[in-house]
Amino acid sequence: KNQVEQSPQSLIILEGKNCTLQCNYTVSPFSNLRWYKQDTGRGPVSLTIMTFSENTKSNGRYTATLDADTKQSSLHITASQLSDSASYICVVSAVDGNKLVFGAGTILRVKS
Amino acid sequence: KAGVTQTPRYLIKTRGQQVTLSCSPISGHRSVSWYQQTPGQGLQFLFEYFSETQRNKGNFPGRFSGRQFSNSRSEMNVSTLELGDSALYLCASSLLWGGDEKLFFGSGTQLSVL
Repeated sequence: KNQVEQSPQSLIILEGKNCTLQCNYTVSPFSNLRWYKQDTGRGPVSLTIMTFSENTKSNGRYTATLDADTKQSSLHITASQLSDSASYICVVSAVDGNKLVFGAGTILRVKS
Repeated sequence: KAGVTQTPRYLIKTRGQQVTLSCSPISGHRSVSWYQQTPGQGLQFLFEYFSETQRNKGNFPGRFSGRQFSNSRSEMNVSTLELGDSALYLCASSLLWGGDEKLFFGSGTQLSVL
């Protein structure tokens, strides 16, 4: 069964600190993996999209890594800001059927 | 360039009623997909339309239906509403259809069924 699991479920960090969010998937055959940021009351916004051959992709203070062998991805946030408080969703695309499989998300709260 | 527009922003309905949600994609985008988001289930794929044809469908009952018009605007209809249909309904647009396309989401329609 195609699944995407994210950890932790929620996280609280102090402003300025770094954090790493995890995503494990069992989707096969794999096409790409995406990270989205969703602010409260808004739709998700794409942060990164990685294909099988890419193992790192950055978008400002956000850096995503992908290990296609172990089927794991991480999203690292550097020097966190209050505006980073949001839900971060990992999404994996399967080649077969062109369908997206969504993780449940990690809720990040950055405190001052 | 205007983003994806969803209307209405909020809706309150009672059980048994039906509802129609609207989505206007980014200009030039020809694919629109719909998603249901609830605190317990997260985001779940409903269906995807491209050139007025449904290309993909998720695992939802037939009470959930949609359509796409020639200008790429899309509507989603839910008939015989149930309490469990209360959710944030998101639509996303992309240039083409399929799992490799970058999605641009609207802010959603928050549906409450009483």
